[in-house]
Amino acid sequence: GAVVSQHPSWVICKSGTSVKIECRSLDFQATTMFWYRQFPKQSLMLMATSNEGSKATYEQGVEKDKFLINHASLTLSTLTVTSAHPEDSSFYICSARAQQSIAGEWGEQYFGPGTRLTVT
Amino acid sequence: AQSVTQPDIHITVSEGASLELRCNYSYGATPYLFWYVQSPGQGLQLLLKYFSGDTLVQGIKGFEAEFKRSQSSFNLRKPSVHWSDAAEYFCAVGGYSTLTFGKGTMLLVSP
Repeated sequence: GAVVSQHPSWVICKSGTSVKIECRSLDFQATTMFWYRQFPKQSLMLMATSNEGSKATYEQGVEKDKFLINHASLTLSTLTVTSAHPEDSSFYICSARAQQSIAGEWGEQYFGPGTRLTVT
Repeated sequence: AQSVTQPDIHITVSEGASLELRCNYSYGATPYLFWYVQSPGQGLQLLLKYFSGDTLVQGIKGFEAEFKRSQSSFNLRKPSVHWSDAAEYFCAVGGYSTLTFGKGTMLLVSP
């Protein structure tokens, strides 16, 4: 159980175009989803937290107009990189967490397999 | 602010030898601590977690970790490493809201 998928697994796009990445919880309802960015040989950096039905909360330094996050249902969150540039190339990972009564006091996050974005 | 330090960027261990990966954390309250493993191009898999109780926790794949409050450490250990353990390992600290990850330690396993 507790499987999170991401689509696509990798994508190449031209500079100036927009790219949408989907994150789905396959066998549980995710009241909260997290989006991380990972540069090569680096750690995961939290970009934003999204709760179903409400606006995402972005971490300091993350452009909310560039990285649009939508969490319209309890099983799907999307990250849209708008007007992508080569510096946006990275590995994007989402995680999902069930409601607290299920996730427990420490709120286990389940991670997706990641999406490799390359902007040319 | 919470932070995690993994002092070793990479470690090479012979297959069959024991392993210890270091993790030090800074957290204002009682921490929840985690170890994740990431294979190349993959997401993260939870190895083990600690949030209370016995300070020695057992995880999957034969890993264990010991929480030492006095040293603010949560080191990961395995008595005998297998070639399939080669991957990147991340220590993380957090509460209910967010996780803060260390920079990771790349484990290389030599024959």
